[in-house]
Amino acid sequence: DAGVIQSPRHEVTEMGQEVTLRCKPISGHDYLFWYRQTMMRGLELLIYFNNNVPIDDSGMPEDRFSAKMPNASFSTLKIQPSEPRDSAVYFCASSLRASGRYEQYFGPGTRLTVT
Amino acid sequence: DAKTTQPTSMDCAEGRAANLPCNHSTISGNEYVYWYRQIHSQGPQYIIHGLKNNETNEMASLIITEDRKSSTLILPHATLRDTAVYYCIVRVLGNTGKLIFGQGTTLQVKP
Repeated sequence: DAGVIQSPRHEVTEMGQEVTLRCKPISGHDYLFWYRQTMMRGLELLIYFNNNVPIDDSGMPEDRFSAKMPNASFSTLKIQPSEPRDSAVYFCASSLRASGRYEQYFGPGTRLTVT
Repeated sequence: DAKTTQPTSMDCAEGRAANLPCNHSTISGNEYVYWYRQIHSQGPQYIIHGLKNNETNEMASLIITEDRKSSTLILPHATLRDTAVYYCIVRVLGNTGKLIFGQGTTLQVKP
């Protein structure tokens, strides 16, 4: 199993540009999560999906952020327009409810730098 | 989900047991204790979880007090690769999949 796959691993962009982060969850998992990690705020949950449906987006900082999950094997997190304060590491994670343990498997993260 | 309190940092000698405490005095009867760790520059990794009984797996042991207000994660023979931030999380095992991470404990394993 390849685990959770995220791309790109590193992204450097200028303020005002659109940024799209991508995630491929573990095959068969029915939950997908997007987190953001910064030194100041730690690891924060942004949004999560169950069976491709957004369940809780209360952590999405503002309207500039949007997330989609068009199918069970792909999700995107988009920032438009990006700002320097969006610089962070963004993690995607997936889990399987049927496992009974609800443990989340995290990807390697995307390090975003907005200049 | 109940709030947890962990020491900010701890040291442990390589080869010795690392005991990481966590207080969760407001835990509810249907809330589980989860432990994750995050090695530098990697995504968090699930370690173990439990409700009220002690649990053990290939990575660690989890000891939960009888009143469930605190727990201890034990790494029996710490190695340098166990240096990481360890997060104790309390959550309801149910429909929601949310994990709320606190600041965790930075464990430094020293040779």
